Amino acid sequence: EPEVTQTPSHQVTQMGQEVILRCVPISNHLYFYWYRQILGQKVEFLVSFYNNEISEKSEIFDDQFSVERPDGSNFTLKIRSTKLEDSAMYFCASSPGQGENTEAFFGQGTRLTVV
Amino acid sequence: SQKIEQNSEALNIQEGKTATLTCNYTNYSPAYLQWYRQDPGRGPVFLLLIRENEKEKRKERLKVTFDTTLKQSLFHITASQPADSATYLCALRGGSYIPTFGRGTSLIVHP
Repeated sequence: EPEVTQTPSHQVTQMGQEVILRCVPISNHLYFYWYRQILGQKVEFLVSFYNNEISEKSEIFDDQFSVERPDGSNFTLKIRSTKLEDSAMYFCASSPGQGENTEAFFGQGTRLTVV
Repeated sequence: SQKIEQNSEALNIQEGKTATLTCNYTNYSPAYLQWYRQDPGRGPVFLLLIRENEKEKRKERLKVTFDTTLKQSLFHITASQPADSATYLCALRGGSYIPTFGRGTSLIVHP
């Protein structure tokens, strides 16, 4: 069964460093998303991406964050200068469309720890 | 402000019983509501969607109700099994197509 894959599963980085989280969405999907979940808290929307551009973003997704689809398969989230409060699970998701019946398929997540 | 409220206390039930989880929302007029399952350290997995004009939706042992007057959805698992133990998330799509999640309720089914 097709699935969303994320790498790495766990990333430890020093505060102020740049990190890139990688995702391979399901191949025929058109919409891509990043969410984060701070330990013990809810899953929060960061950004959605369609047709090679950001379609929607939350207030969490500030200038420190960027997304890119560098080729036909990868979808990346970059955090330019990590802060301690960026420590969280980051989930990538994709969906074939964006209509009401469309479900989002989530990856297993990357646990980012900023020290 | 918009809120999605799910009981933060874990629900403990015995195997074979029906589990009922609640999702309440305020300041939303959702066209539909979704339920997801999340296991520890994993991403959410979609379970069911119910539209605003549907009162009830079923899928195998799962049943969801949606009361737009009460602004509430109930999620039922009948004949619960230990394998049903997980956190269950309610998600709404308000003005956009992006689902906004509640904090989830942890369900623990004891053998």
